[in-house]
Amino acid sequence: AQSVSQHNHHVILSEAASLELGCNYSYGGTVNLFWYVQYPGQHLQLLLKYFSGDPLVKGIKGFEAEFIKSKFSFNLRKPSVQWSDTAEYFCAVRPGSSNTGKLIFGQGTTLQVKP
Amino acid sequence: DTAVSQTPKYLVTQMGNDKSIKCEQNLGHDTMYWYKQDSKKFLKIMFSYNNKELIINETVPNRFSPKSPDKAHLNLHINSLELGDSAVYFCASSQEIGISIQYFGAGTRLSVL
Repeated sequence: AQSVSQHNHHVILSEAASLELGCNYSYGGTVNLFWYVQYPGQHLQLLLKYFSGDPLVKGIKGFEAEFIKSKFSFNLRKPSVQWSDTAEYFCAVRPGSSNTGKLIFGQGTTLQVKP
Repeated sequence: DTAVSQTPKYLVTQMGNDKSIKCEQNLGHDTMYWYKQDSKKFLKIMFSYNNKELIINETVPNRFSPKSPDKAHLNLHINSLELGDSAVYFCASSQEIGISIQYFGAGTRLSVL
């Protein structure tokens, strides 16, 4: 079955530290890849996405992610986190063959940034 | 204005009751979805509707019945609530099915006692 794994369930960092959150998926074909973020009390919002082209994608708020096809990975990075980055981060995959739009999510990573 | 709004935000109820969660989107999208976030925080698709037509029904018990009165609304009605229904339910919408970005609401936390 298709699945998405996020290795870090809970990450605690100090401000200005660098961030990398892992995401791996199990699907052999073409995929669309997403990172969503949920700030406390707010809706899930899109951080960035990869559909095709340059495997290094840049998103909002200084986040970026790199798609490495050979590793089935789409890790999220930020060089210097801020307290306001405290949130839940979800990686999601949509198989390219899907005509239903169904997203398959990882179980999320809670990021806590200490001021 | 919130693009995808769900009401209520919190819902506490007793086993056996029937409850509804409402979802509205003001983005003019054709497709709407319901996801359930389980205790391990995985979000899993339950239903999707495209132009008021059911597209996905992902092996959800038939106690769950989505209703789409128009393209802007997709409500979720749950009959005979069980303890295992306790979860956070997320509504989402996209411009069209298959390829578009999905926009999510803030979730409804349902607690069944």
